[in-house]
Amino acid sequence: QVQLQESGPGLVKPSQTLSLTCTVSGGSISSGTYYWTWIRQPAGKGLEWIGRIYANGNTLYNPSLKSRVIISVDTSNNQFSLKLSSVTAADTAVYYCAREGLMGTNWFAPWGQGLLVTVSS
Amino acid sequence: EIVLTQSPGTLSLSPGERATLSCRASQSVSSSYLAWYQQKPGQAPSLLIYGASSRATGIPDRFSGSGSGTDFTLTISRLEPEDFAVYFCQQYGSSPLTFGGGTKVEIK
Repeated sequence: QVQLQESGPGLVKPSQTLSLTCTVSGGSISSGTYYWTWIRQPAGKGLEWIGRIYANGNTLYNPSLKSRVIISVDTSNNQFSLKLSSVTAADTAVYYCAREGLMGTNWFAPWGQGLLVTVSS
Repeated sequence: EIVLTQSPGTLSLSPGERATLSCRASQSVSSSYLAWYQQKPGQAPSLLIYGASSRATGIPDRFSGSGSGTDFTLTISRLEPEDFAVYFCQQYGSSPLTFGGGTKVEIK
């Protein structure tokens, strides 16, 4: 079964760039049968869809974050990555990667376990 | 952007009782493209329901979803101890994909 695992620094300084990687196992990103997505959740709050990428590199971002987000894919290593620039304390959250279905099936399953990223000096 | 409003914020019930959770959308969700997730403390959300009423693989039949348009409901027919958690709805009918703020089902 497909599993996802987030990795990256748990502490980022304000104004810097948050960089996370999601490693997919048990399935191939390059199969082209799913989107690969980032979602975040501030402590005690709700969920925010950040954006997604397809195997060919096509992306779609949440307009609320679009100016600061880049999602990229590395099919050779079966990974996809998130970069969020100019971070502030408001970007402190648990960041999840997840598999998203294609058109009409865009729910999220499975999810990675999540990675807490704190923005602080 | 479709805003999803979940109510109540917290539901205090006893094991064996019926739970009814509401998710209301700011505009119609096309083709009933609505999902429900369960999240337990310290864990990632996990998919319960998709297409408003279809149970995901391995989800027990005490969980059921219904609704269309702007009003959706998740019902847990008889609460088991492991069902006390936070539940989120999510629409995937239009971009950006959005989630509701969640309903916490707690033990009374």
